[in-house]
Amino acid sequence: GESVGLHLPTLSVQEGDNSIINCAYSNSASDYFIWYKQESGKGPQFIIDIRSNMDKRQGQRVTVLLNKTVKHLSLQIAATQPGDSAVYFCAEKGDGNKLVFGAGTILRVKS
Amino acid sequence: DTGVSQNPRHKITKRGQNVTFRCDPISEHNRLYWYRQTLGQGPEFLTYFQNEAQLEKSRLLSDRFSAERPKGSFSTLEIQRTEQGDSAMYLCASREAGGNTEAFFGQGTRLTVV
Repeated sequence: GESVGLHLPTLSVQEGDNSIINCAYSNSASDYFIWYKQESGKGPQFIIDIRSNMDKRQGQRVTVLLNKTVKHLSLQIAATQPGDSAVYFCAEKGDGNKLVFGAGTILRVKS
Repeated sequence: DTGVSQNPRHKITKRGQNVTFRCDPISEHNRLYWYRQTLGQGPEFLTYFQNEAQLEKSRLLSDRFSAERPKGSFSTLEIQRTEQGDSAMYLCASREAGGNTEAFFGQGTRLTVV
């Protein structure tokens, strides 16, 4: 079946450093991927998306990289700020247009 | 605020009671999703509507769960005879029709069954 896995690791970074959060997916037919940020007690917030015909997409302070050969996604956050502290999920569009989520990565930003 | 709205934000209920949650999607979005999220996990898909039609249901959605979207706008999720294992955050998301577009989530309803 489909699965997107993050195994809930925790990433601690110093304020101002760059962060890289990784994600592996299993469905090679997936054509659309999204990164979400979730703060405690809130719903997931869209950060950036990428379609499978791209290997890189940049937003404001964030970059998503897609490596279809090894079925790997990464989210890079430049100049990480305390407000970036949250749980980050990658999701892939599965059958029937639903999103399949992994377990999340906790990002802690130290001031 | 024109985002996805969910009510109530929190619900505490006794085991065996019925509960109903409401989701108001972004108005021009015809696709609406319900997810469930437990602590430390990513959201798990429950069901999906396109307009008023319920097009897909997860096997997680037991016969105690029912969802409706009668006029293709707001949706309700009802859980009958709640169990402690139903305690979770219930999230609603909506997105536009068409291919690959992002889904926007509400703030969720936190259900605690005691």
